[in-house]
Amino acid sequence: QVHLVQSGAEVKKAGSSVKVSCKASGGSMDSGGSFSNFGVSWVRQAPGQGLEWMGGIIPLFSATNYAHNFQGRMTITADKETGIAHMELSSLRSEDTAIYFCARSEFERIFRGRTYEFYYYGMNVWGQGTTVVVS
Amino acid sequence: EIVMTQSPLYLPVTPGEPASISCKSNQSLQHGNGNDYLDWYLQKPGQSPQLLIYLGSYRASGVPDRFSGSGSGTDFTLRISRVEAEDVGVYYCMQALQTPTFGQGTKVDI
Repeated sequence: QVHLVQSGAEVKKAGSSVKVSCKASGGSMDSGGSFSNFGVSWVRQAPGQGLEWMGGIIPLFSATNYAHNFQGRMTITADKETGIAHMELSSLRSEDTAIYFCARSEFERIFRGRTYEFYYYGMNVWGQGTTVVVS
Repeated sequence: EIVMTQSPLYLPVTPGEPASISCKSNQSLQHGNGNDYLDWYLQKPGQSPQLLIYLGSYRASGVPDRFSGSGSGTDFTLRISRVEAEDVGVYYCMQALQTPTFGQGTKVDI
């Protein structure tokens, strides 16, 4: 049984950065003990609000994708061997106060035009969430 | 950006009765490979979301068979054949054809 364990709650000042970790544990290396064959998505939820996909990474191909709202101030990294992913968000503002979730994603890699496109779907294992408060 | 619209936003249910949630997108979610990139998630109170349905109609591992997903293109439906008390929470659809976006959520309550 694969689990994703996230780092603890953070309180940050506006303008600073936060880095949240997500570690995969349990299961074999092939079935998901690491991220070798999966993607990792980051999703956040502001207080009382819905879900917002922020970005993702496919460690196997070292490919990252960011939602438009977060391009330029979000960085996602992952080590497929250790099964640890990180999400760093900079230039924090009060609106970034939220619970941040990591989730293991299925993905498809499809060649289109001159490049590969990655599709993140089927987020089937979720971390417990990390509360980030920006004051 | 693909916009996802769910209805209703609040759904009172009765245990043992069926229930359904609609999800519409402002453009087709069907890829040229034939897949519809549409997932359904349930977030129970105080918990992380959990995957129910992926690619429109495929039930995720461990999900009871009372949950089913249908639809194609721009119109999708999540059905619960017989609601149980443990099904309360907020249901979200999510498109994955482009940068993923979620619907507003449908709160299901008994």
